[in-house]
Amino acid sequence: GAGVSQSPSNKVTEKGKDVELRCDPISGHTALYWYRQSLGQGLEFLIYFQGNSAPDKSGLPSDRFSAERTGGSVSTLTIQRTQQEDSAVYLCASSWGQDQPQHFGDGTRLSIL
Amino acid sequence: GQSLEQPSEVTAVEGAIVQINCTYQTSGFYGLSWYQQHDGGAPTFLSYNALDGLEETGRFSSFLSRSDSYGYLLLQELQMKDSASYFCAVRDTGRRALTFGSGTRLQVQP
Repeated sequence: GAGVSQSPSNKVTEKGKDVELRCDPISGHTALYWYRQSLGQGLEFLIYFQGNSAPDKSGLPSDRFSAERTGGSVSTLTIQRTQQEDSAVYLCASSWGQDQPQHFGDGTRLSIL
Repeated sequence: GQSLEQPSEVTAVEGAIVQINCTYQTSGFYGLSWYQQHDGGAPTFLSYNALDGLEETGRFSSFLSRSDSYGYLLLQELQMKDSASYFCAVRDTGRRALTFGSGTRLQVQP
């Protein structure tokens, strides 16, 4: 079966613009995660969805960041009024459950000019 | 809160054995995971320890000591393709997602 799919793979935009990043998890996976990774750094947790439960948004760095997961499947991460410090690789992962191995997509490389 | 410490870089030669340590501080504990990430690639799951002891999967083994808040990843018979970054990660009772360490960059030399 297909793995976690993210789009676009690369996004270059001007400071102040809004961007939407998409994640299509592995079919049947109930848990979905968004992380951010700056060059040479570790993964920074952003947000976590589990089934129909309220998402864990504790990692979102500011109110410019938001995410949705529709129908328990596809998720979009939206960054409003982008800033240069938002430049990073945004990684999505999904898993069967909370403590199950996470399967990562290839990420979206976001560059803010 | 939680924090993890792991060495930033390790260098070893082909065929050797290398151990990557990870110490953690959490308010609770649900297990220690290890992920591998090649440059420009996605992280991939390697192992998970919820209980004390050694878990072996082929050339890779992972160890956990909950009383010491310590674990390690052991890579045997190193190959050039093992050159990558290795991340330990924990989940504690205060958060439902994983917290990752900063990663250890392993360079395997011929």
